Amino acid sequence: DAGITQSPRHKVTETGTPVTLRCHQTENHRYMYWYRQDPGHGLRLIHYSYGVKDTDKGEVSDGYSVSRSKTEDFLLTLESATSSQTSVYFCAISESVETRKYFGAGTRLSVL
Amino acid sequence: QKEVEQDPGPLSVPEGAIVSLNCTYSNSAFQYFMWYRQYSRKGPELLMYTYSSGNKEDGRFTAQVDKSSKYISLFIRDSQPSDSATYLCAFSNTGNQFYFGTGTSLTVIP
Repeated sequence: DAGITQSPRHKVTETGTPVTLRCHQTENHRYMYWYRQDPGHGLRLIHYSYGVKDTDKGEVSDGYSVSRSKTEDFLLTLESATSSQTSVYFCAISESVETRKYFGAGTRLSVL
Repeated sequence: QKEVEQDPGPLSVPEGAIVSLNCTYSNSAFQYFMWYRQYSRKGPELLMYTYSSGNKEDGRFTAQVDKSSKYISLFIRDSQPSDSATYLCAFSNTGNQFYFGTGTSLTVIP
């Protein structure tokens, strides 16, 4: 998975609790992305980062925040988890806007 | 109208068959066209990446782009059981915002 580690791989949590997912890369790529994948919707962009402390919103950013304090780490936080955020979350990286994206193995999150 | 339409399948073929996977799109500004393969419980893996209309071949895989019809295809020759996966098409105009299809599930039967 192109030097991308997502943690945890699986998580079950309760509605209303905060949750943080971590993406760690060893490729020194500038761009990092968080996607969610749901049946019938495909992959949808939540947030992305184009450098340390530089982030922007994607298509489905409500209820999520991100932080990137180091090149290699990109954190996704669900501020107060809801059942609609039950999904599979993928991190992706790329060297530049034009180049190909590489995806991590995913985190399966269940919000009960 | 959805940006991207992809038949979800499932598609089941015998080993050795030629497989044709297709997507249509509505945004004429898309410049980058991609196919990803995703095995069960794994992340998507880039298979093909093209910038223009026409064909691009890589081993048993051929990607075809028809911008005039807003239609892309992925052909798999001599399909193998290891090709059993979900195939996602993806499109982009600037690079950061990718639009993904919902995926076509393929099973190749030995």
